[in-house]
Amino acid sequence: KNEVEQSPQNLTAQEGEFITINCSYSVGISALHWLQQHPGGGIVSLFMLSSGKKKHGRLIATINIQEKHSSLHITASHPRDSAVYICAVISQKLVFGQGTRLTINP
Amino acid sequence: EAGVTQFPSHSVIEKGQTVTLRCDPISGHDNLYWYRRVMGKEIKFLLHFVKESKQDESGMPNNRFLAERTGGTYSTLKVQPAELEDSGVYFCASSRDNNYGYTFGSGTRLTVV
Repeated sequence: KNEVEQSPQNLTAQEGEFITINCSYSVGISALHWLQQHPGGGIVSLFMLSSGKKKHGRLIATINIQEKHSSLHITASHPRDSAVYICAVISQKLVFGQGTRLTINP
Repeated sequence: EAGVTQFPSHSVIEKGQTVTLRCDPISGHDNLYWYRRVMGKEIKFLLHFVKESKQDESGMPNNRFLAERTGGTYSTLKVQPAELEDSGVYFCASSRDNNYGYTFGSGTRLTVV
């Protein structure tokens, strides 16, 4: 079992839908990253959080340290949100989840 | 500030050949990390430099992989000789402080045929 588990692994939705991607981890962490990888391959850091909630535009990330769980939400999803979303926790080093492939259809 | 730059973006080589990947971190970032994602798997840690020193190389798969960071600036990752299972996307990241504020490069997609 991986130390970081994401769900779902694949998600297809229609434009405008509210999206939730979940991340559970089993190790002690100091912080958690949500990353976005576009088809071109580059990785962009969306959020780093260690408690509570952060919001940037249509993206919201929450974390519950006691439950060892984080969620990434996308409101009013758009086809350009299509990407792989990766949860990574900072333990002794960065440990990555397997990623969630999100496809938003027009 | 300029981001983390990786070169080349793509490389296709034959089994047994040598390939060298390069990463230029953000200026002033002492910490430099290499990661790899092979097809269908999660991204895995390879190694961590602090300036020119290898802080942690526990993720390096075998001695066909050699990483250097001479002068504490850019880093190279050499694979010699390359094998088919080395195919994947190699990412570099840098940070000013360890385990905080990572910036990732765009990755190098390596295909060994």
